[in-house]
Amino acid sequence: GAVVSQHPSRVICKSGTSVKIECRSLDFQATTMFWYRQFPKQSLMLMATSNEGSKATYEQGVEKDKFLINHASLTLSTLTVTSAHPEDSSFYICSATKQGYEQYFGPGTRLTVT
Amino acid sequence: GQQLNQSPQSMFIQEGEDVSMNCTSSSIFNTWLWYKQDPGEGPVLLIALYKAGELTSNGRLTAQFGITRKDSFLNISASIPSDVGIYFCAGTDSWGKLQFGAGTQVVVTP
Repeated sequence: GAVVSQHPSRVICKSGTSVKIECRSLDFQATTMFWYRQFPKQSLMLMATSNEGSKATYEQGVEKDKFLINHASLTLSTLTVTSAHPEDSSFYICSATKQGYEQYFGPGTRLTVT
Repeated sequence: GQQLNQSPQSMFIQEGEDVSMNCTSSSIFNTWLWYKQDPGEGPVLLIALYKAGELTSNGRLTAQFGITRKDSFLNISASIPSDVGIYFCAGTDSWGKLQFGAGTQVVVTP
């Protein structure tokens, strides 16, 4: 199998606070992990690509100081949304690859910033 | 950059009917992947295609990687209510990044 988990599934935070989202590959070691953002009724937008032990590669327009990514091991990547604002409210989804190009997605995290 | 066009945007079909959707790209993709996403969930991989011309089935699903490597289609035969959801095509570009289509919303009525 290729199971990816995310925690938490839902989080509500106040404006100005930081939120950490965890992404874990449960039954395989992920060579690469990805973080996506999805707005209602829209497709997935890649935010960054993360490899274990190295700095994440961010897509154009994504603020690396706002969306901190740490990839501590081959099974864990974290996304921290710093100083969150209401416009950061979204559905955040991670994915991981075992080998090749097939990406396996986590169940997503619904972030609401009040 | 590469643009990936997915159509149709939505489909309303009756149970038992076949469904067909496709994606086209302005440039070549190295792989084509088809995903299904249920509301509030992450996408689930349905079929992965690696070679031009490849035709692959997964149960009632059939997908093909176009010969030109710029297109792919997904067919669902004999639709059932649980086929409801959003289907996304995705292609891997020359940098290894996955680009997604806009999605096809499938609604199945009994």
